[in-house]
Order: sequence, then structure tokens, then C-alpha cells
Amino acid sequence: TAGITQAPTSQILAAGRSMTLRCTQDMRHNAMYWYRQDLGLGLRLIHYSNTAGTTGKGEVPDGYSVSRANTDDFPLTLASAVPSQTSVYFCASSEGRGQGADEQFFGPGTRLTVL
Amino acid sequence: GQNIDQPTEMTATEGAIVQINCTYQTSGFNGLFWYQQHAGEAPTFLSYNVLDGLEEKGRFSSFLSRSKGYSYLLLKELQMKDSASYLCAVTDSNYQLIWGAGTKLIIKP
Repeated sequence: TAGITQAPTSQILAAGRSMTLRCTQDMRHNAMYWYRQDLGLGLRLIHYSNTAGTTGKGEVPDGYSVSRANTDDFPLTLASAVPSQTSVYFCASSEGRGQGADEQFFGPGTRLTVL
Repeated sequence: GQNIDQPTEMTATEGAIVQINCTYQTSGFNGLFWYQQHAGEAPTFLSYNVLDGLEEKGRFSSFLSRSKGYSYLLLKELQMKDSASYLCAVTDSNYQLIWGAGTKLIIKP
């Protein structure tokens, strides 16, 4: 099984442009997450979704938006990119049982550079 | 605020044992995870502790002391493929994962 896929693998984007990072999972997981990972910092949660049709803000949501129209897809949109959004973006999913033991499964990541 | 501390980098020798420590201060506690992340790849799950004590899984073991806000990951019989970053993460009272910055483990022959 594919697990979680992300597209594109990498992207160079001009500041001010918009972009959507795609994420699809085939595990029928309820919960999905978007993180960014920067050198020297831990993974930081951008947005999450506990189930299809609902989304929530994480630690660093400004400048990003998400939607969860169905169980499988969880796209992340940058409306007007800025250089500080240069990062590696990981999508993850979990069964979403609402308990602390939910293991998260990660996609391969998207490396985004904003110039 | 919420905080998770782990050493930035550690070096160990192939075949040896290494212990990676993690201390945490979070609003509530619903479990602690360890993930492994090879350079340029995604994190992958290693272990989960919610009760005090040691969980053993092959060459890897994870320990938790909730009263001390402390965990460690113990790697035995180190192999070159164990060179990676090891991420400690705690589930807080809102069931959100709070991540440490990770410990880069370098294995030398």
C-alpha cells in the first residue's frame, strides 16, 4: 500500500505566489496533520483535521489554509508565499481514536523554497 | 509554556550502547513517543510509553518516569544504519503532539 503520498517532492516558489501542497492517504485514517520542519526546531503543527469536514489550527497556522473535503485528501495552501515559509513540509495521519496512543504515519515530505 | 529538551547531537561506536535522554514540561500528559528520522526522510514510529517503566522492543528500549518528566531511548548493539535523528514527542492534555528538536546520532565504525 502507498500509505501517505505528497506532491510535489520539491518546489521553488517566487514570493507572493500561491501554491497548494497535496497530501493523500489510503489507510482510511480519521485524523490528518500538516507540519513544518526547520533546522534546529522540532516539528511544528500548522493545521490538523480530526475527521473529514473539520479542521483546526495548530501552533503556526498564519499564512496557511487547509480543507478536508473527504477522508483521503488534506491539501495545504499558501495564499501568498513569503521567504520565512521556506521549509520541509510533512503531512501525517493517524487513526484518530482521540487517545494519546495514536501513532502518526508520515508522508515523504515536500521541500519548499520561497525566493 | 510547553518544552521538550533533548541533546542536539551524540556520537557512539558501532556495536556499543547509547542512551538518548528527553525531558519534558507540558500541559498534561497522555503519552510519550520516540520516532526515528533518517536524513532526508520522514519520521517513523519507534515506541510509545504511557506508564512508568521500560518498554523493550528488540535492540531498542524506551523508559519513562512521569514524576520526573523524563524518558530515555536505549539503543543496543549499534549498527551504522542507526545513524539518524531521534525525535521525542509528548501528547499533551489536548491530545496534540509536542515535538522535541531531535537528537542527531552519529555512529562511528
